[in-house]
Amino acid sequence: EDKVVQSPLSLVVHEGDTVTLNCSYEVTNFRSLLWYKQEKKAPTFLFMLTSSGIEKKSGRLSSILDKKELFSILNITATQTGDSAVYLCAVGGEETSGSRLTFGEGTQLTVNP
Amino acid sequence: NAGVTQTPKFRILKIGQSMTLQCTQDMNHNYMYWYRQDPGMGLKLIYYSVGAGITDKGEVPNGYNVSRSTTEDFPLRLELAAPSQTSVYFCASSYPSRLAGLTGELFFGEGSRLTVL
Repeated sequence: EDKVVQSPLSLVVHEGDTVTLNCSYEVTNFRSLLWYKQEKKAPTFLFMLTSSGIEKKSGRLSSILDKKELFSILNITATQTGDSAVYLCAVGGEETSGSRLTFGEGTQLTVNP
Repeated sequence: NAGVTQTPKFRILKIGQSMTLQCTQDMNHNYMYWYRQDPGMGLKLIYYSVGAGITDKGEVPNGYNVSRSTTEDFPLRLELAAPSQTSVYFCASSYPSRLAGLTGELFFGEGSRLTVL
């Protein structure tokens, strides 16, 4: 059974801080890892990672995957109150025929002014 | 462009009642999914479909049924509502990623909050 574990489960920081969110996984024949941001409604897509060591960046957010150690990190620099959300990690594996994702529990990030 | 549309947004049911959550997408996606999200938890897959006429169970299918008669629609039915089914339900769809061997980006609906009393 595929498993995705995120840490920490919650995090409170001040504006301007840098945060690192972690995602470790166990999945049969890994295919892809996705990060989503969820603010009180539907998750919105951030990144999809398939290759080790290649950093994906979008503004102040970046993510990298380590397929050998089976984990990914999501970094947010110079945090803003608008970054407050639940960040979800999801993994797709071959066993699922590339057609579904297993989600972690999420990290609740709170950024205080 | 509507994307993924779910109805209703909110519903309160009594124990034992039945209902259908509707989901439709206009992106011509082959893959569609139903997830539930309990407070403080991640998303759990209920059912998914890789195309019209094909459905399969996810992690938590008990108490639910689905059908996929068209590419656009993927309704989720609760036959005998129970308090354990109180949750937020998300429908999602994705590109036909099977050709690339990857699970593509999921596009989510706005969610349906269901309370069973």
